Amino acid sequence: DAKTTQPNSMESNEEEPVHLPCNHSTISGTDYIHWYRQLPSQGPEYVIHGLTSNVNNRMASLAIAEDRKSSTLILHRATLRDAAVYYCILRDSTDKLIFGTGTRLQVFP
Amino acid sequence: DGGITQSPKYLFRKEGQNVTLSCEQNLNHDAMYWYRQDPGQGLRLIYYSQIVNDFQKGDIAEGYSVSREKKESFPLTVTSAQKNPTAFYLCASSITASSYEQYFGPGTRLTVT
Repeated sequence: DAKTTQPNSMESNEEEPVHLPCNHSTISGTDYIHWYRQLPSQGPEYVIHGLTSNVNNRMASLAIAEDRKSSTLILHRATLRDAAVYYCILRDSTDKLIFGTGTRLQVFP
Repeated sequence: DGGITQSPKYLFRKEGQNVTLSCEQNLNHDAMYWYRQDPGQGLRLIYYSQIVNDFQKGDIAEGYSVSREKKESFPLTVTSAQKNPTAFYLCASSITASSYEQYFGPGTRLTVT
């Protein structure tokens, strides 16, 4: 299974943009890049996904490197409610989600 | 409200006992999943079901069993054969197995002593 590598933790101030990096150097051509986030003591929630092109939705933007070996989740203006563990996940050809340990984002007022 | 229900939120059992965790969804989703999460770790797939009366083992199925007799229900039994059953258990569903988004329930925290 292709793996992802993320920093253990990141910090941000409220109202500032946050760039959460993810490395996936062994990604295959058909693997989709998914991002989920998990608030404390809750189940994860879907954030965004993409294959090759950059993607935007109401929650975030996803920037995918041209060689697809890395990607960045962008929160345009962090709020206190964005404090969570963010998982960068590769969805393989069997449609299973392979979770890593994620990045714990702290947001300060 | 549509969603996924897991009950109970907290569950305590003695070692050697089987325990069944409930997962119900009213989203009319075909696919359902069970994950396990240990402290500070990501989620690991235990079992998944693409359709009623069908299920497949995930990465860590040993010591667990499931059934999928109804579309809306996917109970997980943690048997006494599971060596380290204490964990946070999460159920999820998706429209189909190839859908891009999985919807997760609130989880059940199981403690076995």
